[in-house]
Formats: sequence, structure tokens, C-alpha cells
Amino acid sequence: GQNIDQPTEMTATEGAIVQINCTYQTSGFNGLFWYQQHAGEAPTFLSYNVLDGLEEKGRFSSFLSRSKGYSYLLLKELQMKDSASYLCAPKDDYKLSFGAGTTVTVRA
Amino acid sequence: DAGVTQSPTHLIKTRGQQVTLRCSPISGHKSVSWYQQVLGQGPQFIFQYYEKEERGRGNFPDRFSARQFPNYSSELNVNALLLGDSALYLCASSLGYRDIQYFGAGTRLSVL
Repeated sequence: GQNIDQPTEMTATEGAIVQINCTYQTSGFNGLFWYQQHAGEAPTFLSYNVLDGLEEKGRFSSFLSRSKGYSYLLLKELQMKDSASYLCAPKDDYKLSFGAGTTVTVRA
Repeated sequence: DAGVTQSPTHLIKTRGQQVTLRCSPISGHKSVSWYQQVLGQGPQFIFQYYEKEERGRGNFPDRFSARQFPNYSSELNVNALLLGDSALYLCASSLGYRDIQYFGAGTRLSVL
């Protein structure tokens, strides 16, 4: 089975940095995705890690440690529009398994 | 370029009825996956189709079925609807079955 664990909620101030951690236990693994989902909308692709290490993409970075079953998403220079749910999704072959998501609230 | 399109946007059905949801993938994408997202939870995998063949199925009852057409669009059918089937149904397309999945806006199904 799949077990994906991430915090339920996080709050941060505009301009700050927030790190969302994700731990996972999956029967198979060949990569990990992070998606952003605004309330009532579809998930949008943020990042994809296959190998260990840090992937940087503008204000967003994602890190993966396969041996530890651990990933994090780093959001820098937070903006109000970053208020959303962030979904961690390890991949087993073709199948994505999603965590419940972390709701990030950005305050002015 | 058009993204993943789903129809209808919203749907209201009563228990016991049947529903068909439709999905058109991004042009050039040959794989379509379906997910169910209940309020407050992450999406749960239902099916994946690639080149019109079912590649995988999640832990959903046989009331759920799907198919993919020669133009790579897809339909998800749910029979004998239950109240618990109320959810956002998401379709995602990808180039191949292991590639990045891009989601449509979803169909919100309410079962009364």
C-alpha cells in the first residue's frame, strides 16, 4: 500500500519562506511530483524529482532523498497568490499516489 | 494550445442513476488517467489508459468503468450512483504513461 504524510496546514507571511515536508512509503517508486491546487480548481504541476537532490524552478524548489523516503517543497518570496493546497505525489510506474495535501495560507 | 478539457463542469444526479464524464487530452498526449477527489483529500487514482488500452486500475468497484477512443479522448462511467460518489472527478493527460500528468479542471458530481 501507499502511505504519504505531509502537514495539514501551514501559515506564513508574505515575502517569507515556507518548507513543506513529505514522507512516503510506497511499494514501488520512480519519481515524486509536487502539485499546487487552489480551492475548487485542478492541480497544476510544480516539480518532478527522479534523482536525489534539489531541483530549482524560480521561487519553487523541491528536494528528494530516496533512501529516506523524504521530499520537501520550498516556496520562497511568498506571495498572496501562493495560498493554496500543495500535494505530494510519489509515482509507481504510471500511477500517482497523492497525499491529503498541505494548505498554505499567506498573510500580509 | 488547449489544455485538458473536461465536460460537463458540474453534474447533479440521484442515487441509482448512471453518469458519463468526458475528457479530451492535450493534443499529442496518448495517455489519460482518471482520479476522484473527495473534499479535503488528495486525488485517488481510478484508471489509466494508454493507446486505448487499460494500463491500470485503482481500488474502485466495478461500477466504475472507462474507455479511450482512437482520438485519445476518454469517458468515465459510473453506474448505480451512491451518495459517496459525490466528488470532483479529475482527468489528467500525459505524453506517455510514465510522463508528467497535466490535469483538467474537473467535473464536480453531486449525488443526492
